[in-house]
Amino acid sequence: DTAVSQTPKYLVTQMGNDKSIKCEQNLGHDTMYWYKQDSKKFLKIMFSYNNKELIINETVPNRFSPKSPDKAHLNLHINSLELGDSAVYFCASSRGLAGNYEQYFGPGTRLTVT
Amino acid sequence: AQSVTQLDSHVSVSEGTPVLLRCNYSSSYSPSLFWYVQHPNKGLQLLLKYTSAATLVKGINGFEAEFKKSETSFHLTKPSAHMSDAAEYFCVVITTSGTYKYIFGTGTRLKVLA
Repeated sequence: DTAVSQTPKYLVTQMGNDKSIKCEQNLGHDTMYWYKQDSKKFLKIMFSYNNKELIINETVPNRFSPKSPDKAHLNLHINSLELGDSAVYFCASSRGLAGNYEQYFGPGTRLTVT
Repeated sequence: AQSVTQLDSHVSVSEGTPVLLRCNYSSSYSPSLFWYVQHPNKGLQLLLKYTSAATLVKGINGFEAEFKKSETSFHLTKPSAHMSDAAEYFCVVITTSGTYKYIFGTGTRLKVLA
């Protein structure tokens, strides 16, 4: 059983398109996250939802919009894709927001914008 | 302000020799500190965490880390490297006082030589 799953695994698209990445966790966790990992492996948090409520919203272009239909899902929609959006996007979940909770990461979605 | 510095971007060791991956942090609040490992084309997996309990923390696969407040360090060690330890390692600071901050270090690539 996959704890945190993401679809698709690979996504190749052209500049200007709109795309979505889906994330689901079956761990019963309250908190979910989106991270961006660039080509130099640098990881940065983008968003965090706790019980479907947006808690963390780092400095991310408003072309990126997270959507949490329920606690088990956190999808990422990206409008008007740009070359600089090419990266690996990781979804993660944890029992709560407090710093002592382990985050469980999905396998990543490699987005390539051409 | 919170920050994490991983002092080495690459570390090479021979199989069977000790591993030391260095991490220094800066935080205005009592932080939670984590080490995560990322194998190629995989998501991140928790190695160990410090959350204000014992300062010497033991993790999976023989890794451990010591929290030293006076030195603001949380270095990761392992007595004897195994080929399967070759991966990218991330030191992470999480603070939850006021606003939530999740700060990842820039990563250390560990290479294990036969």
